[in-house]
Amino acid sequence: EAGVVQSPRYKIIEKKQPVAFWCNPISGHNTLYWYRQNLGQGPELLIRYENEEAVDDSQLPKDRFSAERLKGVDSTLKIQPAELGDSAVYLCASSATPAGYEAFFGQGTRLTVV
Amino acid sequence: GQSLEQPPEVTAVEGAIVQMNCTYQTSGFYGLSWYQQHDGGAPTFLSYNALDGLEETGRFSSFLSRSDSYGYLLLQELQMKDSASYFCAVRDGRSNYQLIWGAGTKLIIKP
Repeated sequence: EAGVVQSPRYKIIEKKQPVAFWCNPISGHNTLYWYRQNLGQGPELLIRYENEEAVDDSQLPKDRFSAERLKGVDSTLKIQPAELGDSAVYLCASSATPAGYEAFFGQGTRLTVV
Repeated sequence: GQSLEQPPEVTAVEGAIVQMNCTYQTSGFYGLSWYQQHDGGAPTFLSYNALDGLEETGRFSSFLSRSDSYGYLLLQELQMKDSASYFCAVRDGRSNYQLIWGAGTKLIIKP
């Protein structure tokens, strides 16, 4: 069974530039999460999808961040424009159910904004 | 509010036993999960407790006391490969099952 696939693995951009991250969850997993993780900290939820509906985006900085999950499968997270403080690892995860206790994570995208 | 507390770092010797604690505060506790994350890697699921007591999976055990809002992860027969960060995460049933994460405990293992 393929795991959660994310791309790219690494991205370096200049501030004020746009950037996008892509995630393909485990087949059949209806719940998809985007997290941001800073060094030495736990993952911080940005947005959670149930199928194609965003059910929790309270911590998504909507002035510069956007996300979509077309057809309830793949998802894209975008930042425009990027700021220096956005440098972090962006993790995508999926679970079989909304209350599923086991979430499966992708390898993440390490973003560096210079 | 919702919060989890974990010690930032624990040091142990190879072959020994180590316990990593997690205390939480949440309005609608639904379950406590533990994840392992190696440097540069993705978090991977270790265990889950919804009810009080001890859950054992090989060298790993996880304990929960809901009355004390407390849990711990126990690792036995420590190996160098166990060096990683360990996160506890609470699922909050009153916040649409949102998963709240602790800051993690970095486990350092010495030979």
